[in-house]
Amino acid sequence: KQEVTQIPAALSVPEGENLVLNCSFTDSAIYNLQWFRQDPGKGLTSLLLIQSSQREQTSGRLNASLDKSSGRSTLYIAASQPGDSATYLCAVRYSNSGYALNFGKGTSLLVTP
Amino acid sequence: DVKVTQSSRYLVKRTGEKVFLECVQDMDHENMFWYRQDPGLGLRLIYFSYDVKMKEKGDIPEGYSVSREKKERFSLILESASTNQTSMYLCASRTRGLYEQYFGPGTRLTVT
Repeated sequence: KQEVTQIPAALSVPEGENLVLNCSFTDSAIYNLQWFRQDPGKGLTSLLLIQSSQREQTSGRLNASLDKSSGRSTLYIAASQPGDSATYLCAVRYSNSGYALNFGKGTSLLVTP
Repeated sequence: DVKVTQSSRYLVKRTGEKVFLECVQDMDHENMFWYRQDPGLGLRLIYFSYDVKMKEKGDIPEGYSVSREKKERFSLILESASTNQTSMYLCASRTRGLYEQYFGPGTRLTVT
């Protein structure tokens, strides 16, 4: 089974720090990779989508990179704020899995004031 | 903005009941999905539909069925609810092609 791994599982940082969340995947043959945010008890909010032909995508304080050859993506959050506290999920659409997204188990982020 | 809505935020049912979870999207998306999310197991795909009346099994279809009679609506059916189906259920939709997937707010189902 093609897997997606997110490390660390949990992270606590003081407000204002820049931070990096990691996502690794087992097969470089992917269509795209999507980062989501999930607040407790809520649904998932799409943050960024990176197509396989792209190296990075940016939205505000968020920057996501993709390195297919090494099977890695990173989500960079600049100048973190307490409102960024949430679980961040990485999902990969592998080329041979058709319609489905394969999800990591997430990184739980706490930004302390 | 894409909007995916689910019929209930919280639902409590008894073992053996037939349960319907409804999902509606307003962006004319062809693809729709049902996931369940459990602590330590992450999101797992139950069923998906790539167009009206079309459906495919995901990773954990046992005990579930689905219905897609109209493009905007995708229903998940628990034929005879069991306690191990207590979970958070998440619906998602996406337009055909290599585009973003959008999620609804989730339904927290408890089966007692």
